[in-house]
Amino acid sequence: SQTIHQWPATLVQPVGSPLSLECTVEGTSNPNLYWYRQAAGRGLQLLFYSVGIGQISSEVPQNLSASRPQDRQFILSSKKLLLSDSGFYLCAWSQGHYGYTFGSGTRLTVV
Amino acid sequence: AQSVTQLGSHVSVSEGALVLLRCNYSSSVPPYLFWYVQYPNQGLQLLLKYTSAATLVKGINGFEAEFKKSETSFHLTKPSAHMSDAAEYFCAVSPSGNTGKLIFGQGTTLQVKP
Repeated sequence: SQTIHQWPATLVQPVGSPLSLECTVEGTSNPNLYWYRQAAGRGLQLLFYSVGIGQISSEVPQNLSASRPQDRQFILSSKKLLLSDSGFYLCAWSQGHYGYTFGSGTRLTVV
Repeated sequence: AQSVTQLGSHVSVSEGALVLLRCNYSSSVPPYLFWYVQYPNQGLQLLLKYTSAATLVKGINGFEAEFKKSETSFHLTKPSAHMSDAAEYFCAVSPSGNTGKLIFGQGTTLQVKP
């Protein structure tokens, strides 16, 4: 069966520090991969999606970047965090139109 | 462009009462529609999905939703609320295309009172 792993679960980082969040999927090949951010009271905002290795599409301009070095690995990064980067980050995968499977999320607090 | 509107950011019901969470969508093509539930500090769990088959869709935990094309709605219902239903609920639409991107509504927080 397919599983998705996302870590760490919580993270507190100072302003200006780098960020790396990792997501891996097991039990499937060539999934579509996504990074969402959920800010308090603002719903889910799609940040990046990828349809294959090295293929990244950015949905909104921001201080973050994403990479897909392997088929089932998706990484969210920042060189210098801002206070506004705080939020709940969710990784997800899908195949076709059959919905998403979400990771358990990372609570990022930038202080 | 596709969009989703969830009417009511907070809904409060008594235990045993009907749950009705409203969702309206905008889509220029036949949509795929989804309802997800999120418990605090957790990921999203799929409740049910509409993919152009039966208009009344049954999901997990006793929830169901009806696709009404004429009203562009996909409201979520449950006949009798349980305390464990307290969570945040998201409606989402998938536009056509093979990237499978989901566009989410702003979410509705369901409170269940004893």
